[in-house]
Amino acid sequence: GNSVTQMEGPVTLSEEAFLTINCTYTATGYPSLFWYVQYPGEGLQLLLKATKADDKGSNKGFEATYRKETTSFHLEKGSVQVSDSAVYFCALLFTGGGNKLTFGTGTQLKVEL
Amino acid sequence: GAVVSQHPSRVICKSGTSVKIECRSLDFQATTMFWYRQFPKQSLMLMATSNEGSKATYEQGVEKDKFLINHASLTLSTLTVTSAHPEDSSFYICSARQGTGELFFGEGSRLTVL
Repeated sequence: GNSVTQMEGPVTLSEEAFLTINCTYTATGYPSLFWYVQYPGEGLQLLLKATKADDKGSNKGFEATYRKETTSFHLEKGSVQVSDSAVYFCALLFTGGGNKLTFGTGTQLKVEL
Repeated sequence: GAVVSQHPSRVICKSGTSVKIECRSLDFQATTMFWYRQFPKQSLMLMATSNEGSKATYEQGVEKDKFLINHASLTLSTLTVTSAHPEDSSFYICSARQGTGELFFGEGSRLTVL
């Protein structure tokens, strides 16, 4: 079946540090890939997405590239801010499968001054 | 962006009672809504797909008589946990699909059953 594996958190970084949150997936075929972010007390929000191999999704300084050869979609940001502190979820979607998202376990990011 | 609201955000109930959680799309109509359950340090697990005007589709292993879903209008879906027990304590999250296909999530509802 389909599954998503994320690195365990929490990840604690100093402001302006480089961020990588690893995400790998297992799927038959070629899903769309997503990163969602959940700020404290709020619902999940779509951060970025990529729908085919080698696509790069980007938003708010975050980037992730759809790597078919390594079945990965790692999230990166060059310089994190305190306001980036949140839980980040990697997810995949097969449009032919009832449009059901499969989520990773989430990775909590804490950014300190 | 579009807004989806859940209510209540937190609820505590006694074992054996029923609890209803509402999910509303505030500024768009949603023919399809999804209900998820999240345990601590685990991923969101899809429980069921709620379609307006028809019966919900439950994922394997989810008791439909335990978790009643009603999607009576294009802006409201409800999840009722019947005869709740402590093992039902969890974080329940809904999402609604906008016409573009994008999903928008509610803030989640934390249920604690004593």
